[in-house]
Amino acid sequence: SQTIHQWPATLVQPVGSPLSLECTVEGTSNPNLYWYRQAAGRGLQLLFYSVGIGQISSEVPQNLSASRPQDRQFILSSKKLLLSDSGFYLCAWKKWEQSDTQYFGPGTRLTVL
Amino acid sequence: SQQGEEDPQALSIQEGENATMNCSYKTSINNLQWYRQNSGRGLVHLILIRSNEREKHSGRLRVTLDTSKKSSSLLITASRAADTASYFCAISAGSSNTGKLIFGQGTTLQVKP
Repeated sequence: SQTIHQWPATLVQPVGSPLSLECTVEGTSNPNLYWYRQAAGRGLQLLFYSVGIGQISSEVPQNLSASRPQDRQFILSSKKLLLSDSGFYLCAWKKWEQSDTQYFGPGTRLTVL
Repeated sequence: SQQGEEDPQALSIQEGENATMNCSYKTSINNLQWYRQNSGRGLVHLILIRSNEREKHSGRLRVTLDTSKKSSSLLITASRAADTASYFCAISAGSSNTGKLIFGQGTTLQVKP
């Protein structure tokens, strides 16, 4: 069966510090991968998606970047965090050849102080 | 914006009652999905309805889709306290290769025991 992991679960970082959030998927190959951000009490905003290794599409210009160094690894990064980067970050995957159903990880709660 | 808009934003009912949530959107879609999110957790896929379908059932869930009105509804019958969560609609539109979804802002459901 497939599983998706995210770490860390919780992170508190000062403004101006770097960020690295990691997402890995097990039990499948060549998945589509997605990074979302969710503000408190709000819906999900798609940040980046990837349909293959090294391929990244950005949905919203901002202080963040994403990379996919391996087939089942998706990393969200920032060189200098802003207060507005605080939120709940969710990674998701879907089987590239099948329906649009996405499977979500447990999320990372990021607080920038 | 293609974003789904959900109504109501919050809903509080007694256990055993039915809960109905609505989603409206603005563009042609490939399919519409409903997800559930327990507080502080990742999203879980509930049901997918394709643009050529009008109604779909899964256990206590019933989803309808009216493409002429660009709207969908999610009905949870005989609600339980464990159904307390946020519910999001998500639309798939445009190229299906990316699998991108546009999420609504969600309906927060509280089921009182």
